[in-house]
Amino acid sequence: GAVVSQHPSWVICKSGTSVKIECRSLDFQATTMFWYRQFPKQSLMLMATSNEGSKATYEQGVEKDKFLINHASLTLSTLTVTSAHPEDSSFYICSVPGLAGGRGNEQYFGPGTRLTVT
Amino acid sequence: RKEVEQDPGPFNVPEGATVAFNCTYSNSASQSFFWYRQDCRKEPKLLMSVYSSGNEDGRFTAQLNRASQYISLLIRDSKLSDSATYLCVVRPSRNTGNQFYFGTGTSLTVIP
Repeated sequence: GAVVSQHPSWVICKSGTSVKIECRSLDFQATTMFWYRQFPKQSLMLMATSNEGSKATYEQGVEKDKFLINHASLTLSTLTVTSAHPEDSSFYICSVPGLAGGRGNEQYFGPGTRLTVT
Repeated sequence: RKEVEQDPGPFNVPEGATVAFNCTYSNSASQSFFWYRQDCRKEPKLLMSVYSSGNEDGRFTAQLNRASQYISLLIRDSKLSDSATYLCVVRPSRNTGNQFYFGTGTSLTVIP
């Protein structure tokens, strides 16, 4: 399957600062990437769909001005949590969809980024 | 109503036991179904896709019942290494893009 990396894997920041998380598709080009958030003992919740060369599509209830997504190339999407607060502490995971008929229609997940805001 | 619902467990079973998980989905037009495994503080990893006719991969058997809109996962001869959270994942339709819906996961602990 696809190899997806995320950086950083773990970050602690102070309230009010911004944090950038990178998601890279290492072995194939991805026009679409997904950003999920997972709170403890809860399921993954889709935050937004990152589209290469165009604006991201945000799910209902996700503030686009707070969670800035940039998909500048076919292998890199970034999520910036602006003015982070303790309630933003979570596990952020990106994924790359497989290609129908090619790699299949599953998703390949990055290893996740654990954000703790103090 | 949630798109995907799972019994969160936890399931605590002895080594060698057989355990089954069920999952229901709300959208009857759903196209694709998966079971993912997630270890603590790790990303989900695909365990197996679920096909209409049912499918087996070693000790793992997945079943799909479209009429009742549920998916099941059976694990035979449980190993300690099977301890994890098992996520039921549904892809509603190709027309909705690649959006997947995740259940909250079922926690399994295999006890020596």
